Amino acid sequence: SQTIHQWPATLVQPVGSPLSLECTVEGTSNPNLYWYRQAAGRGLQLLFYSVGIGQISSEVPQNLSASRPQDRQFILSSKKLLLSDSGFYLCAWRTSGSGEQFFGPGTRLTVL
Amino acid sequence: AQKITQTQPGMFVQEKEAVTLDCTYDTSDQSYGLFWYKQPSSGEMIFLIYQGSYDEQNATEGRYSLNFQKARKSANLVISASQLGDSAMYFCAMREGPGGYNKLIFGAGTRLAVHP
Repeated sequence: SQTIHQWPATLVQPVGSPLSLECTVEGTSNPNLYWYRQAAGRGLQLLFYSVGIGQISSEVPQNLSASRPQDRQFILSSKKLLLSDSGFYLCAWRTSGSGEQFFGPGTRLTVL
Repeated sequence: AQKITQTQPGMFVQEKEAVTLDCTYDTSDQSYGLFWYKQPSSGEMIFLIYQGSYDEQNATEGRYSLNFQKARKSANLVISASQLGDSAMYFCAMREGPGGYNKLIFGAGTRLAVHP
């Protein structure tokens, strides 16, 4: 069966520090991968999606970036965090044949 | 323009009763998909049910059913025989287009509280 991992689970970072969040998927190949952010008490906002290695599409201009160095690995990064980057970050995957997306456990980021 | 609207910030229901969570959507595409997700306090997003725009019958998954009214652009989630474990945030989402990148647009969510 398919499994999606995210780490770390929680993170507290100072403003201006770098960020690296990792997402990996097991049990599937060539998935579409997605990064979402959820502000407190709000819905999910799509940040990036990827249909293959090295292929990244950005949905929202910001100081975040994403990379996909391997088929089942998706990384969210920032060179300098802002206070507004605080939130709950969720990674999701989808195979080409299905419609629904399956989500990882999320990373709760607090920028102080 | 908001594409997914969930007008109920919070809902209460008595255990074992049914509850309907509202969702309206806006799209000009003929082919699209509608999803409902549950988010418990732990934060994980749990897929509940899917309805395709060309599906003639309302989707059902166990105690969950989707009341799809295409002309009204509504896709309400019905939970029958509510359980205490149903207390969570519920999000309606839409995929525009026939598939492709499958980007989902989420509503703001409805917080459901099930009372004993």
